[in-house]
Amino acid sequence: AQSVTQLDSQVPVFEEAPVELRCNYSSSVSVYLFWYVQYPNQGLQLLLKYLSGSTLVKGINGFEAEFNKSQTSFHLRKPSVHISDTAEYFCAVSKNSGNTPLVFGKGTRLSVIA
Amino acid sequence: GAVVSQHPSWVICKSGTSVKIECRSLDFQATTMFWYRQFPKQSLMLMATSNEGSKATYEQGVEKDKFLINHASLTLSTLTVTSAHPEDSSFYICSARDRTTANSGNTIYFGEGSWLTVV
Repeated sequence: AQSVTQLDSQVPVFEEAPVELRCNYSSSVSVYLFWYVQYPNQGLQLLLKYLSGSTLVKGINGFEAEFNKSQTSFHLRKPSVHISDTAEYFCAVSKNSGNTPLVFGKGTRLSVIA
Repeated sequence: GAVVSQHPSWVICKSGTSVKIECRSLDFQATTMFWYRQFPKQSLMLMATSNEGSKATYEQGVEKDKFLINHASLTLSTLTVTSAHPEDSSFYICSARDRTTANSGNTIYFGEGSWLTVV
């Protein structure tokens, strides 16, 4: 089975500062990796995903993530955050084959401070 | 892009009654849909996997007789919370896999979620 650990439950950061949200996963098979954002009282929006190929993945809203197989990590980064980036961020993993669901981490609350 | 629609977005029901939540894939066919629930300030927990034309597969600890899932067509899955109690109040989210890309990219789309409040 797959599992995801998001090491930080809350990350406060000043506006225009860089941010990194950490995600580590565990799996005995090859996986796909995802980052989703959830704004208050809303559903999930896909930020980016790693399926194969280049380990540096660029997503929407200026976010990017790097897949590191040796460290089983998929950390999310943004060089300069905005107030509007305040939200809950979820890292997710699934097997890279078959009809398998996503397994989510517990989420990281990013709070951008003006 | 592909859209998954959930209805209703918000529902309040009395304790003991049943409520149905619909999940529709609007512009693609989904052989598999997944139902999650999310308690406030917590992560999404998989409840069940719904396959078109067959019985749903429930995760451990999820009561199949309480959370009835029907996936009668390639574009619609329903979750019925039967005899609802206040502890069933939660945010329910469905996701659907595009059958044309099921084995190449794991393209999964999420609905906007449904807030259930049982009073």
